[in-house]
Amino acid sequence: AQSVTQLGSHVSVSEGALVLLRCNYSSSVPPYLFWYVQYPNQGLQLLLKYTTGATLVKGINGFEAEFKKSETSFHLTKPSAHMSDAAEYFCAVSRYGNNRLAFGKGNQVVVIP
Amino acid sequence: DAEITQSPRHKITETGRQVTLACHQTWNHNNMFWYRQDLGHGLRLIHYSYGVHDTNKGEVSDGYSVSRSNTEDLPLTLESAASSQTSVYFCASSSGTSGLQETQYFGPGTRLLVL
Repeated sequence: AQSVTQLGSHVSVSEGALVLLRCNYSSSVPPYLFWYVQYPNQGLQLLLKYTTGATLVKGINGFEAEFKKSETSFHLTKPSAHMSDAAEYFCAVSRYGNNRLAFGKGNQVVVIP
Repeated sequence: DAEITQSPRHKITETGRQVTLACHQTWNHNNMFWYRQDLGHGLRLIHYSYGVHDTNKGEVSDGYSVSRSNTEDLPLTLESAASSQTSVYFCASSSGTSGLQETQYFGPGTRLLVL
């Protein structure tokens, strides 16, 4: 079975500062990894995903994440936070041929002007 | 444009009543999923389907059922609503044709309050 850990349900970041959201996973087989974003009163949309190949993955809105197998991590970063980044962010894991996602509990990001 | 819709967007019901939440996608996707979102729990999988007439239980399936009679729709039924089923429900779909993990596309959600 796979599981996902996201620490810190609420994350505050100053506008222009680095955004760092941590995600650690456990999986018995090589995982597929995802970050989704949820804006208020909306569904989830994909930010980025790792399946195979390059371990540094770039997504929409300036976000990127790096898959580190040795650390079982897939942390999400953005160099400079914008007010529009205020949202909830979910890390998710799947495994080959499964097509089912296991989600972390999410990080609510607040951007301080 | 292809899309995934959910109805109703908001629903208030009473304990013991049967409730059906609709999910409709126009991508012709094989895979469809139902999740519930609760504070402190993230999203948890209720039921999923890999094609017409295929349904499977997820991690929190007790009290819920689904049926898949066509490609486009996967309605979620709460057989006898309980207050513990107050939640936000999301439907999602993915292509299911590549054999690899594919992106899931989410609907806007249904807020259900059980009194």
